[in-house]
Amino acid sequence: GENVEQHPSTLSVQEGDSAVIKCTYSDSASNYFPWYKQELGKRPQLIIDIRSNVGEKKDQRIAVTLNKTAKHFSLHITETQPEDSAVYFCAALTGTASKLTFGTGTRLQVTL
Amino acid sequence: DSGVTQTPKHLITATGQRVTLRCSPRSGDLSVYWYQQSLDQGLQFLIQYYNGEERAKGNILERFSAQQFPDLHSELNLSSLELGDSALYFCASSGRQGVTYEQYFGPGTRLTVT
Repeated sequence: GENVEQHPSTLSVQEGDSAVIKCTYSDSASNYFPWYKQELGKRPQLIIDIRSNVGEKKDQRIAVTLNKTAKHFSLHITETQPEDSAVYFCAALTGTASKLTFGTGTRLQVTL
Repeated sequence: DSGVTQTPKHLITATGQRVTLRCSPRSGDLSVYWYQQSLDQGLQFLIQYYNGEERAKGNILERFSAQQFPDLHSELNLSSLELGDSALYFCASSGRQGVTYEQYFGPGTRLTVT
């Protein structure tokens, strides 16, 4: 089955700096890659996603890039703010059942 | 607010008991997914239903079962509960207007088994 690896597990940046989180996936048939943000005790919230026919997608301060050949995708957050502090999960979708396989999460802390 | 609702918010029960978690998907969504998130763990896919039928199974224990009703709400039944079943249980939904990829999560049910 699909396996998604996510790095780093923790990331601390200063406010205003950029943050990058990287994921790799194993199943070349995966065709959809969402990113979720989860604050403590709350639901995972979809923040951005990318499909396999696109290399990059941007939404204000966040962007996602996909390298299908290398089977990896990354989340980029620019001009980080304290409210960006949360756990971020990447995921890959495979199969007709729309099954999402999640990475293990990255705890991002934005310090003042 | 994602539009997905889950009840109850919190559940405390003893080992060996059985509980039922309920999920109502976003209006128009046909698919419901159940996930388990243990303390400091990632999200583990349990099971998916599409328009009343089971579509995919993940790492769901035999003690767990689910169903989706004609009104598209879903229930996750957990029986013979063990301490290790303590976790956050999320449901998610998708499938509105033919868009099947994006999954939106409910607020979760926190289950504590004592």
